[in-house]
Amino acid sequence: GESVGLHLPTLSVQEGDNSIINCAYSNSASDYFIWYKQESGKGPQFIIDIRSNMDKRQGQRVTVLLNKTVKHLSLQIAATQPGDSAVYFCAEYPRKDQAGTALIFGKGTTLSVSS
Amino acid sequence: KAGVTQTPRYLIKTRGQQVTLSCSPISGHRSVSWYQQTPGQGLQFLFEYFSETQRNKGNFPGRFSGRQFSNSRSEMNVSTLELGDSALYLCASSLTALRAANYGYTFGSGTRLTVV
Repeated sequence: GESVGLHLPTLSVQEGDNSIINCAYSNSASDYFIWYKQESGKGPQFIIDIRSNMDKRQGQRVTVLLNKTVKHLSLQIAATQPGDSAVYFCAEYPRKDQAGTALIFGKGTTLSVSS
Repeated sequence: KAGVTQTPRYLIKTRGQQVTLSCSPISGHRSVSWYQQTPGQGLQFLFEYFSETQRNKGNFPGRFSGRQFSNSRSEMNVSTLELGDSALYLCASSLTALRAANYGYTFGSGTRLTVV
């Protein structure tokens, strides 16, 4: 499957491939992370989340990996389908005692799936 | 169950005008947050309201303001519009204040504001 070591704004894959989207987060004190999918004309939609006390979490066809040492988050999509084409964002929640409680969004990655 | 509803979906305004956007959260949700989305800056936090109180505010000028009503519906207002205010404005709701939300927000589809 296709993967990127660093964040890239676009990722093109073939249907059926596995996709890996990477994200570097900013705050080492953040303790909760979310991946969102945004389709054209819609708001971001929740995909999967992970707390900082975990390294990996699996959902349906998706897996999120968290590496706190290097402040890196990745989203793996198995058997990518055309309907997975969208912009994907990672987001982090600062810890409660940190300034601000808003979600901080990373730069999005546009995933394009061709048949 | 109805999702987060934002009105209007599209809006065209002239520089110098003001605009009010509306957001109706999911029934039972008490927290509403607003984000601005632009191609250059991505998703940026504007403010969060919980039980009619502004709990947090992002780094935006005072021309951007908001409020929440007793039924949890929220409005945001932008006065003296500038060309750079053209963006997709997203509203998101959650059951309680952010920290207790297990699934983060549920977003609406946004209001596309174009300033000419």
